[in-house]
Amino acid sequence: DGGITQSPKYLFRKEGQNVTLSCEQNLNHDAMYWYRQDPGQGLRLIYYSQIVNDFQKGDIAEGYSVSREKKESFPLTVTSAQKNPTAFYLCASSMVGGGRPQHFGDGTRLSIL
Amino acid sequence: GQNIDQPTEMTATEGAIVQINCTYQTSGFNGLFWYQQHAGEAPTFLSYNVLDGLEEKGRFSSFLSRSKGYSYLLLKELQMKDSASYLCAVNSNTGKLIFGQGTTLQVKP
Repeated sequence: DGGITQSPKYLFRKEGQNVTLSCEQNLNHDAMYWYRQDPGQGLRLIYYSQIVNDFQKGDIAEGYSVSREKKESFPLTVTSAQKNPTAFYLCASSMVGGGRPQHFGDGTRLSIL
Repeated sequence: GQNIDQPTEMTATEGAIVQINCTYQTSGFNGLFWYQQHAGEAPTFLSYNVLDGLEEKGRFSSFLSRSKGYSYLLLKELQMKDSASYLCAVNSNTGKLIFGQGTTLQVKP
């Protein structure tokens, strides 16, 4: 069964701590994306990658980092520099090219302790 | 700049028809997507329009006018399970999706 798996579903972070959110896909998609969703707001792009070992900043990359060492995996690290990390984080993947819909994981809800 | 506008909330009655509008101003355009998102869940793909006109998929239809920077999602024969947020997203020429804030639809009996 192909899909995108995000883990954990809920995550708590202490002040000054880095945390890493996992995203794995077995859809053989080239492109992967990380979004942040806050209440009453749309999805905002944090980082995206269209090929292994390459990624670009989105609109709100400050305080976040990513890696793309494997096609299937695109982990997101929320660093201590991100002062307001409480949000719902969504990972997505797609084939590259116009008209290809993005498929989303079930999300990780991050909260500050 | 990049801007996508949708109404924040809408209410409709079970069995009725509802139209959710989306207007956009973006630096590039390579198609428009509609997604459905139930509270606390992942968005799921509903439709894609790149040419002007109406695309129909069962109870859901989506319309695009590129010259007006306008799209709508039409939901027919509303069911209680259609209560969700509906996200309009424009595919810019960079391959990135730009999302509107979403429209929360409440279907009442």
